[in-house]
Amino acid sequence: DQQVKQNSPSLSVQEGRISILNCDYTNSMFDYFLWYKKYPAEGPTSLISISSIKDKNEDGRFTVFLNKSAKHLSLHIVPSQPGDSAVYFCAASAVTQGGSEKLVFGKGTKLTVNP
Amino acid sequence: ETGVTQSPTHLIKTRGQQVTLRCSSQSGHNTVSWYQQALGQGPQFIFQYYREEENGRGNFPPRFSGLQFPNYSSELNVNALELDDSALYLCASSLVVSGYNEQFFGPGTRLTVL
Repeated sequence: DQQVKQNSPSLSVQEGRISILNCDYTNSMFDYFLWYKKYPAEGPTSLISISSIKDKNEDGRFTVFLNKSAKHLSLHIVPSQPGDSAVYFCAASAVTQGGSEKLVFGKGTKLTVNP
Repeated sequence: ETGVTQSPTHLIKTRGQQVTLRCSSQSGHNTVSWYQQALGQGPQFIFQYYREEENGRGNFPPRFSGLQFPNYSSELNVNALELDDSALYLCASSLVVSGYNEQFFGPGTRLTVL
């Protein structure tokens, strides 16, 4: 049962245009959401996050939108740059039975920004 | 400030063997989590250690076990390796304070089981 879904395995955009990555989730108990960026041979790095009490968070070229009623979040990158080419993971924070915090990840979307 | 490091980078084992993967947490962090990332999948939570005790576990069998040491370094042990254990194993450290505690990931260990 996949609780976090990224339905687009890949996305290709031109440099300077907008990149929109989408993510859907099923568990209404998730209270924090993150987008991670991963380059080959490196660990995922947190890019931007949003609490479930907000609907938008902006950090420079990156904006995350959260629609709780639709259980949907998206990452907008404007303008896209070739260095943004990477795999992007959507993740949600959940509490385990032991009380610890774990991340539930989607399968990732590979973004390619063409010069 | 030193980031999260993992060793070895790559490892090849045969089915039925045992393996130990190591993780050194970011300085000052008291919590470590381990994730398994199979090919084409997102990372899946294995377990978390806080102050040397396991305090949360994902849907993984008992042959996956771990340790956290007083210096907050950590080990992931997998017994009786199976072909499906082939994956990238990621550790992530965090400082548990309050609210959301950001997890910082290491580069991972690529395990291949033949």
